[in-house]
Amino acid sequence: GEDVEQSLFLSVREGDSSVINCTYTDSSSTYLYWYKQEPGAGLQLLTYIFSNMDMKQDQRLTVLLNKKDKHLSLRIADTQTGDSAIYFCAETPPYGQNFVFGPGTRLSVLP
Amino acid sequence: GAVVSQHPSRVICKSGTSVKIECRSLDFQATTMFWYRQFPKQSLMLMATSNEGSKATYEQGVEKDKFLINHASLTLSTLTVTSAHPEDSSFYICSARDSRGNTGELFFGEGSRLTVL
Repeated sequence: GEDVEQSLFLSVREGDSSVINCTYTDSSSTYLYWYKQEPGAGLQLLTYIFSNMDMKQDQRLTVLLNKKDKHLSLRIADTQTGDSAIYFCAETPPYGQNFVFGPGTRLSVLP
Repeated sequence: GAVVSQHPSRVICKSGTSVKIECRSLDFQATTMFWYRQFPKQSLMLMATSNEGSKATYEQGVEKDKFLINHASLTLSTLTVTSAHPEDSSFYICSARDSRGNTGELFFGEGSRLTVL
């Protein structure tokens, strides 16, 4: 079945860039998403990328997709303490109802 | 943007009682909603897919008699944890897909933390 993998932890210093990586197995994925979860809260969509795109930029966020390697990354420029959260990568197959989530990467931003 | 509201956000109950959690799409209609469970420091686990006007589809290993799902309208799905036990304590999150959207984006509720004493 589909599988999505992420590294579990990442620590960066305030002001540095953060790069969170994700790999997936389903080559038929149509959309790939990044969600942010702050402590005790639900998930908030940060950004998404369609599978025929290589890159998408939205303010401090840059998503890179390498479809050949099935690798997705999220870069956060000028990381702030408010960016500390768990970031989930997710994918959805064509006509699929469900999302497949990765385990989440806990980002810690150090002062 | 679209908003999904969950209620209650926190609930504490005694073992053996039943607890109902509501999930509402506030500004869009959702024929399908999803219920997830999240254990501490773990990812989301899909429990069931709630379909408006029909029976929910449960994932393997999820007891349908234990976790009752009702999707009576296009904006409301409910999850009832029946005869709750301490091992049911968890963070439950719902999501809904805006059928009008092009991305098929899922909007998530804020989650409901259930503690069973």
